[in-house]
Amino acid sequence: GAGVSQSPSNKVTEKGKDVELRCDPISGHTALYWYRQRLGQGLEFLIYFQGNSAPDKSGLPSDRFSAERTGESVSTLTIQRTQQEDSAVYLCASSDFQQPQHFGDGTRLSIL
Amino acid sequence: AQSVTQLGSHVSVSEGALVLLRCNYSSSVPPYLFWYVQYPNQGLQLLLKYTTGATLVKGINGFEAEFKKSETSFHLTKPSAHMSDAAEYFCAVKTGGSNYKLTFGKGTLLTVNP
Repeated sequence: GAGVSQSPSNKVTEKGKDVELRCDPISGHTALYWYRQRLGQGLEFLIYFQGNSAPDKSGLPSDRFSAERTGESVSTLTIQRTQQEDSAVYLCASSDFQQPQHFGDGTRLSIL
Repeated sequence: AQSVTQLGSHVSVSEGALVLLRCNYSSSVPPYLFWYVQYPNQGLQLLLKYTTGATLVKGINGFEAEFKKSETSFHLTKPSAHMSDAAEYFCAVKTGGSNYKLTFGKGTLLTVNP
């Protein structure tokens, strides 16, 4: 497809487990973003990748959160030792440099 | 620091009625402003954006928004609501000092009654 693809669409896991969320951006987009959307809230910026530059990790809420990106393609967001407050929808977006962001449908994460 | 306030977490209108979703922002620099729409279980889709130039911006699906600097507002309107407009709407401002970060409002859920 031509859009941003995220997997899995839903993830249920037990507290304390690690989870890995995947994002496939639109081909050719150099910028990639991760956001967290808690119930009834707006989007919280987590991390930004732009080409080969060092990522902006300023939004990551704790050291349990990390993200990687391979070149200008796939990105993974990893949450270690999940807590119940990590339950949220995690959205990925991509864009050309300084252009509007295109969003995926998100991964709905539920921590039991 | 930038912030966005969306007045009304839930707006309900009748089909065919005017839609008005309010957004006020604060920004230390000339703002870039955006409206996004989110349908259930989907990501956000860009409706329209204001960067520079004409203050009345037209977007997709018949929506438009007007940037009013004196009121620090960027309200979203549509003359006649359609059932398919039912969704959540987010206003966002590009974060000052950054060429990519967006600060989002908490969203307004629009319901359209037949």
